[in-house]
Amino acid sequence: DVKVTQSSRYLVKRTGEKVFLECVQDMDHENMFWYRQDPGLGLRLIYFSYDVKMKEKGDIPEGYSVSREKKERFSLILESASTNQTSMYLCASRTLYNEQFFGPGTRLTVL
Amino acid sequence: GQQLNQSPQSMFIQEGEDVSMNCTSSSIFNTWLWYKQEPGEGPVLLIALYKAGELTSNGRLTAQFGITRKDSFLNISASIPSDVGIYFCAGREYGTSGTYKYIFGTGTRLKVLA
Repeated sequence: DVKVTQSSRYLVKRTGEKVFLECVQDMDHENMFWYRQDPGLGLRLIYFSYDVKMKEKGDIPEGYSVSREKKERFSLILESASTNQTSMYLCASRTLYNEQFFGPGTRLTVL
Repeated sequence: GQQLNQSPQSMFIQEGEDVSMNCTSSSIFNTWLWYKQEPGEGPVLLIALYKAGELTSNGRLTAQFGITRKDSFLNISASIPSDVGIYFCAGREYGTSGTYKYIFGTGTRLKVLA
C-alpha cells in the first residue's frame, strides 16, 4: 500500500514565524504535491515537484516555498506565517499510473 | 484555479438506499479519480478511471468515465452509516512543461440516516 505521511496532524504557530511542513512517501514516486483545503474553496494547488530539486508553482504559491532534496521528501515552507494561512494542508504523491494519494493532512492555525 | 462542477452538493439518504453523484467539466480529461474524505482526514482514493466508457467497481462503489470525456459518475449501492463523508472527483489535465495536474470537484457531502 502507498503510504504518504505528514510530520504533524495539528500545528499552532504565531504570526511571523517560519513554518515547515514535511511530507514523506515510501513508494519512490517522482511527483509530489502540496495543496491547501478551505471551506467553500475546495482543494487548491500550492506547489508541485516532478523530480528531485525540481519544483513548479501551482495556483496559489504566494507566501510559500518548497524544497525537494530527496525523492521521498517534499517540504512546504511558510517563510513568515500569516493568519490567512490558517488552513488544512494536504500533501500528495502520484504513481506512474496517475493515481494520486494523499497524506492525512496538517491542520495549521496561525494566531 | 479551475474547479469541476460536482452534484449534488449534499445528500441526506436513508441507510440501504443507493446514491448517485456526478462531475462535469468543460474540458476533456484523460483520467478521472474519485476520493472520499472524512472529517479531519486526508482524501482516500476510491477508484481510478483511464478511458472513456470505462466502468469500474470497488465493493459497493461503481464509477464510470463518461463517453464525452467531460464527465464521470459515482454510484454507491445499499448505503451504510460509514459511507458518510465528502466525495470528490478529480480530472487530469495537461499543464505546462509537459507536466499535468488534477482539477478537483467541489465535493458531495453525504449523510446517511440509520
